[in-house]
Amino acid sequence: AQRVTQPEKLLSVFKGAPVELKCNYSYSGSPELFWYVQYSRQRLQLLLRHISRESIKGFTADLNKGETSFHLKKPFAQEEDSAMYYCALSGLGYQLIWGAGTKLIIKP
Amino acid sequence: GAVVSQHPSRVICKSGTSVKIECRSLDFQATTMFWYRQFPKQSLMLMATSNEGSKATYEQGVEKDKFLINHASLTLSTLTVTSAHPEDSSFYICSAISGGGVYNEQFFGPGTRLTVL
Repeated sequence: AQRVTQPEKLLSVFKGAPVELKCNYSYSGSPELFWYVQYSRQRLQLLLRHISRESIKGFTADLNKGETSFHLKKPFAQEEDSAMYYCALSGLGYQLIWGAGTKLIIKP
Repeated sequence: GAVVSQHPSRVICKSGTSVKIECRSLDFQATTMFWYRQFPKQSLMLMATSNEGSKATYEQGVEKDKFLINHASLTLSTLTVTSAHPEDSSFYICSAISGGGVYNEQFFGPGTRLTVL
């Protein structure tokens, strides 16, 4: 079955601390993985995708096919990183399979 | 980046009435649009996939006669909630991908808050 799992509903860390938002997936083929972010009172927007292997706003995510994971990491959290983060998977079509989301709170 | 708009942003209606929500791609042609529903503090639930010029594909459990979707042009898709009831109250979000999309990136609208009294 195709599935995206974000085990943490809420993650709270202090400013300057490292952040890791977990994402595991289940997919039989070769998926594309994405992280989307939703800041307070703003629309969902793409943060990064695994195929571009880029760092956006200090965040990186590496696709680990052996562990079927795509964890989102940032070495030093900033207050403006507080948001809802969604991991998503795209298979053969254009549809996205969404994780439940993790609310990240950065404490001052 | 590509911009998707939704109208209205907020609507309150009486039970039994129908409500139409518009989703527009402002600076690109959207061959495919998606309609989602988001409950408070929950993830997005895909309702249907809308392709220009053809019938929408509904997800299991979504009533096609209840949620009418029309994708008449490459820049506009509409969702009509027919005979709305209080349980239809939710946040409805559309997204769109362009015909030239390579990485399947979806561009999201700001959402529409529907409240049915």
